[in-house]
Amino acid sequence: GQQLNQSPQSMFIQEGEDVSMNCTSSSIFNTWLWYKQDPGEGPVLLIALYKAGELTSNGRLTAQFGITRKDSFLNISASIPSDVGIYFCAGQTDLLSGSARQLTFGSGTQLTVLP
Amino acid sequence: KAGVTQTPRYLIKTRGQQVTLSCSPISGHRSVSWYQQTPGQGLQFLFEYFSETQRNKGNFPGRFSGRQFSNSRSEMNVSTLELGDSALYLCASSPASTGRRGYTFGSGTRLTVV
Repeated sequence: GQQLNQSPQSMFIQEGEDVSMNCTSSSIFNTWLWYKQDPGEGPVLLIALYKAGELTSNGRLTAQFGITRKDSFLNISASIPSDVGIYFCAGQTDLLSGSARQLTFGSGTQLTVLP
Repeated sequence: KAGVTQTPRYLIKTRGQQVTLSCSPISGHRSVSWYQQTPGQGLQFLFEYFSETQRNKGNFPGRFSGRQFSNSRSEMNVSTLELGDSALYLCASSPASTGRRGYTFGSGTRLTVV
């Protein structure tokens, strides 16, 4: 089956620092999504990417869809305490196939922001 | 606009029992997916429904089943519960049949099997 390798597994950073995390896949995805999950809650969509090479921002967050369609990264600039949580990448395959309607998730990056 | 509502939030069941979880998608969303989240396996796809039809199923045993009603609300059922079924079960809805506009997740149902 498809596998998503997400790194790093965890990060400890100082408030105000920038953060970068990425996902790589052995398979091509047509859509990349980035989610954040707080304890006891479901994942919340941060950024959606639909085209290879696409660079999209959402406030202090910036994500890119890799040109090979097998990778994506998420950057968070000027981190603040509320950025704490688990960040997941998720890929979605060919929209015409049955498997297109499922997300394959990375294992997550646990972010801790130190004051 | 109400989000995805999952009930109950917490559930404790005994091994061998069965359980039914409920999910009400965002109004107007017709695609509903279910995911299982565990510390060891992460987020794994269970199944996806659209217009009352299961269109895709993940790699889970037949003890895991689901259905979708005409109002798009969905239920998933797990029979003959095992200790390993303890997990956070997440429901996600999407407005598009392809899910291309992203999925909105509910807060999940935390199932503990003892």
